[in-house]
Amino acid sequence: DPKIIQKPKYLVAVTGSEKILICEQYLGHNAMYWYRQSAKKPLEFMFSYSYQKLMDNQTASSRFQPQSSKKNHLDLQITALKPDDSATYFCASSQDRGSSDYTFGSGTRLLVI
Amino acid sequence: GEQVEQLPSSLIVQEGASVLINCSYTDSASVYFPWYKQEPGKRLQFIIDIRSNMERKQNQRLTLLFDKKTKHLSLHITATQPGDSAIYFCSARPGTQVVGQLTFGSGTRLQVYA
Repeated sequence: DPKIIQKPKYLVAVTGSEKILICEQYLGHNAMYWYRQSAKKPLEFMFSYSYQKLMDNQTASSRFQPQSSKKNHLDLQITALKPDDSATYFCASSQDRGSSDYTFGSGTRLLVI
Repeated sequence: GEQVEQLPSSLIVQEGASVLINCSYTDSASVYFPWYKQEPGKRLQFIIDIRSNMERKQNQRLTLLFDKKTKHLSLHITATQPGDSAIYFCSARPGTQVVGQLTFGSGTRLQVYA
């Protein structure tokens, strides 16, 4: 029974379009994160949220916007999609920002054509 | 910022063999080093961690060694099984500033054949 749910599992998008990647966690964690894994780079940190507030942002492009409508949700909106955005996007959570124990979701594999 | 390098990039061994995965980092402010395993198509799964005030940690067939002076870690897996086949990731987290953010190595793909 997955405790972090990411939807969809696979996503194909056209260049220039906009997509939202969904992440919900049922662990009662207060901190949530987004990471990206592409063919060319290791797993990269993108954002961290704590109690629904943005804490850290390592993404250069404003095309990537996290959205937290509830404490256990952290969605990722990507606008003006480019082929270079093709990657697997992982959501993760931990009890707090300082917690050691991360739990990862199973990822959303995005292909931009 | 922190950079984490992992070697080798891939390993192929026969069941029962031992393997060693090396990891080095650059930022002396990093204090926590979790390792993850990713089986094909599955989520990253935590396997073992170590803090910078320790030199060694063991969890069943996994032994993690840490050298603060050389900024180097090594993960030793003994008596490998086909179920150990996965990509193994080293990561580092600073103790100050950006708490919570992990910097990952590029991974080591381990294949264990029967």
